[in-house]
Amino acid sequence: EVQLVESGGGLVRPGESLRLSCAASGFTFSNYWMSWVRQAPGKGLEWVANIKHDGSDKNYVDSVKGRFTISRDNAKNSLYLQMNSLRAEDTAVYYCATIVTLSYWGQGTLVTVSS
Amino acid sequence: DIQMTQSPSSLSASVGDRVTITCRASQGIRNDLGWYQQKSGKAPKRLIYEASSLQSGVPSRFSGSGSGTEFTLTISSLQPEDFATYYCLQHNGYPLTFGGGTKVEIK
Repeated sequence: EVQLVESGGGLVRPGESLRLSCAASGFTFSNYWMSWVRQAPGKGLEWVANIKHDGSDKNYVDSVKGRFTISRDNAKNSLYLQMNSLRAEDTAVYYCATIVTLSYWGQGTLVTVSS
Repeated sequence: DIQMTQSPSSLSASVGDRVTITCRASQGIRNDLGWYQQKSGKAPKRLIYEASSLQSGVPSRFSGSGSGTEFTLTISSLQPEDFATYYCLQHNGYPLTFGGGTKVEIK
């Protein structure tokens, strides 16, 4: 059974940092691009970033460039999102997902940025 | 950036109705588009990939069509479990972009 399990969400103040993790199982993680997608409360879906199978290529939405860093550890079947300089508008449920070839999604982890 | 304009933003329909949702891309995206269903509090579930291919396990009442800039998701006979929010997603260019969503409600 395929599983993507996110962790690391929580309540932080503006300007602080948070690192999200996603543990993958049930498929060959190292073969696939992986993405982070977020959804602000009551809003639509927004793609945040993705990373190539081997970590050699990364892409970001403009609103997080320079603040967020996506990474992966294929030996640990894990995906990460380092989020720095967090803003109120980053408040959302963050999903770990494969999007294009396969379509697997985690259950999401809530990040709340508030003073 | 490629903008995905999805319409309508919401609709009310009855069980058994035929429902059509449209996404228009601001530039040609070939068939690099998927359709997703999201129920409240749950992760999205892909229904259609490559614009018209049915995801394994998805009922055949769902279908997708289109190429280039205009795409359609059709539910041929709406079922009670289909009341949800639907999104399109283009993966032709970065940033990947979702449509704004269509909330399908019970009439």
